[in-house]
Amino acid sequence: QSALTQPASVSGSPGQSITISCTGTSSDIGTYNYVSWYQQHPGKAPKLMIYDVTDRPSGVSNRFSGSKSGNTASLTVSGLQAEDEADYYCSSYTSSNTFVFGTGTKVTVL
Amino acid sequence: VQLVESGGGVLQPGRSLRLSCAASGFTFGTYAMHWVRQAPGKGLDWVALISSDGSNNYYADSVKGRFTISRDNSKNTLFLQMNSLRADDTAIYYCARAGVRGVYRDSWGQGTLVTVSS
Repeated sequence: QSALTQPASVSGSPGQSITISCTGTSSDIGTYNYVSWYQQHPGKAPKLMIYDVTDRPSGVSNRFSGSKSGNTASLTVSGLQAEDEADYYCSSYTSSNTFVFGTGTKVTVL
Repeated sequence: VQLVESGGGVLQPGRSLRLSCAASGFTFGTYAMHWVRQAPGKGLDWVALISSDGSNNYYADSVKGRFTISRDNSKNTLFLQMNSLRADDTAIYYCARAGVRGVYRDSWGQGTLVTVSS
């Protein structure tokens, strides 16, 4: 199972919106609404930000939102803040009863 | 929710190691659990999933036949038995609690580092 494809880096100024794409196949993202997104700050454990494509766990800012179209999922961060600077990973369930992560995207706040 | 991994270390290729993950703050026996790893400076890599009662296990192709996930619900502990270790198994290993249907991970431990080197 190949990793899902994400852009290596995305940047934006404070207050702006950014979108991170996550491209898979018909064997994962294209078939299942089981896409999740994780934020990871340097030296820290990942944190769940979005699950089931669009749902936000309690305590996660509503500036984070998720969507999906075909084989591609997206994470949008609106009102970008300095604390949003981190690595972001998508993940999907697959038709092989396994899971796959994305390649990861480094978000830089300019 | 608290998850605390232990058992990491430095060992030679071909050796075995067992990782543990002590869970607290929730009813451990009602949640599926994942292991996820991250090689130094690299991305996240899913390793294995075990159902809440331990009756069903799933593995990444890269570890199938070498790693075994298990749990002791009476001791609120998750395990990962790793055999025939290779240099490319070097990583921080995280345990994570599974959300509904087991398809995402809603709480993570801080990880334990496994280094495989001759």
